[in-house]
Amino acid sequence: AQSVAQPEDQVNVAEGNPLTVKCTYSVSGNPYLFWYVQYPNRGLQFLLKYITGDNLVKGSYGFEAEFNKSQTSFHLKKPSALVSDSALYFCAVRDPRGTPLVFGKGTRLSVIA
Amino acid sequence: KAGVTQTPRYLIKTRGQQVTLSCSPISGHRSVSWYQQTPGQGLQFLFEYFSETQRNKGNFPGRFSGRQFSNSRSEMNVSTLELGDSALYLCASSLGQGNTEAFFGQGTRLTVV
Repeated sequence: AQSVAQPEDQVNVAEGNPLTVKCTYSVSGNPYLFWYVQYPNRGLQFLLKYITGDNLVKGSYGFEAEFNKSQTSFHLKKPSALVSDSALYFCAVRDPRGTPLVFGKGTRLSVIA
Repeated sequence: KAGVTQTPRYLIKTRGQQVTLSCSPISGHRSVSWYQQTPGQGLQFLFEYFSETQRNKGNFPGRFSGRQFSNSRSEMNVSTLELGDSALYLCASSLGQGNTEAFFGQGTRLTVV
């Protein structure tokens, strides 16, 4: 069965600094990988996905993620953090054979001005 | 294009009662998935429907059930409510292929007292 681990419950970063939110996954075969963001009292918003091809994926709001097959990782990155990026971030994985989308427990990002 | 609509947004029920939550997907989307979100457990998959058929089911007791109608709208029902069922219930719709992203509604906040 597929699974996702987000090893950090909380990440703090100063505004203007680069940010990284970590994600590792376990799935048989080639994974479909996703990042979502959740603001307070809201549903999840899609940020980006990796399906195949270029390992560096660019998404919404200046976020990008790098797929690393050997390390089974899909870390989310942004070159310069904004206070408005403060939110809960979820990594998710799906097995291409049609299993449901499985989420990590989430990482709370706090960007400090 | 209208997003995913979940009704009601907030609900307070008493232990032992039952509840029905509704989800209207994005027009053209044939897949609807339901998730339970709690602070301790994160996002737990409940079930997924595609063209009125349950395609996947999570590890929840039989008190949790769902269905999808011919217009792709979906409902989930929880019978004999327990205090532990208090959570944010999220619905997500997608085109149905594994490599397509899911779009989430704002959720229904259920409180069981």
